[in-house]
Amino acid sequence: DAKTTQPTSMDCAEGRAANLPCNHSTISGNEYVYWYRQIHSQGPQYIIHGLKNNETNEMASLIITEDRKSSTLILPHATLRDTAVYYCIVRTPDKLIFGTGTRLQVFP
Amino acid sequence: NAGVTQTPKFRVLKTGQSMTLLCAQDMNHEYMYWYRQDPGMGLRLIHYSVGEGTTAKGEVPDGYNVSRLKKQNFLLGLESAAPSQTSVYFCASSLPRGPYEQYFGPGTRLTVT
Repeated sequence: DAKTTQPTSMDCAEGRAANLPCNHSTISGNEYVYWYRQIHSQGPQYIIHGLKNNETNEMASLIITEDRKSSTLILPHATLRDTAVYYCIVRTPDKLIFGTGTRLQVFP
Repeated sequence: NAGVTQTPKFRVLKTGQSMTLLCAQDMNHEYMYWYRQDPGMGLRLIHYSVGEGTTAKGEVPDGYNVSRLKKQNFLLGLESAAPSQTSVYFCASSLPRGPYEQYFGPGTRLTVT
């Protein structure tokens, strides 16, 4: 299973864009990149996923490099409620393998 | 729709006791999963099921058993609880293979003394 590497923690000012990087250099051609977040002790929440192209939805944007070895999750206007642990996951056909994620702290 | 529900929300066991955690989903999902999360760590997959009557081992299956007798339910059993099984347990479900998201339940906080 492909591994991901993320910074342990990041800070972001409220209203600014939060850019969360992820390295997945061993990703194979048919594996998707997924992002989930976990607010406090709740169950993880799906954010976005992508294969090759950049993706955008109402929550975030996902930028995947051309060689697919890294990606960046962008929260365009971070709010205090975006404070959470963000997980970058390379999905195998049947399951997700979570790492330790990035703890994003949004401050006023 | 209730989504994914877990029963119970909290439980305290003594070492050696047994218990079953119930996960139920009303989204007609084929796939279901059990994870555990220890303090400061990400989720680790215990067991999963790709359909009614099937189960498979995840990353940390030892000490747990599972059953999927009905499509909407996925049971996680601890036959002889140990303090190392103190954790928060999350259940999830999803549609079959493909780029489908997993939907998570609220978690069960289990303490083994």
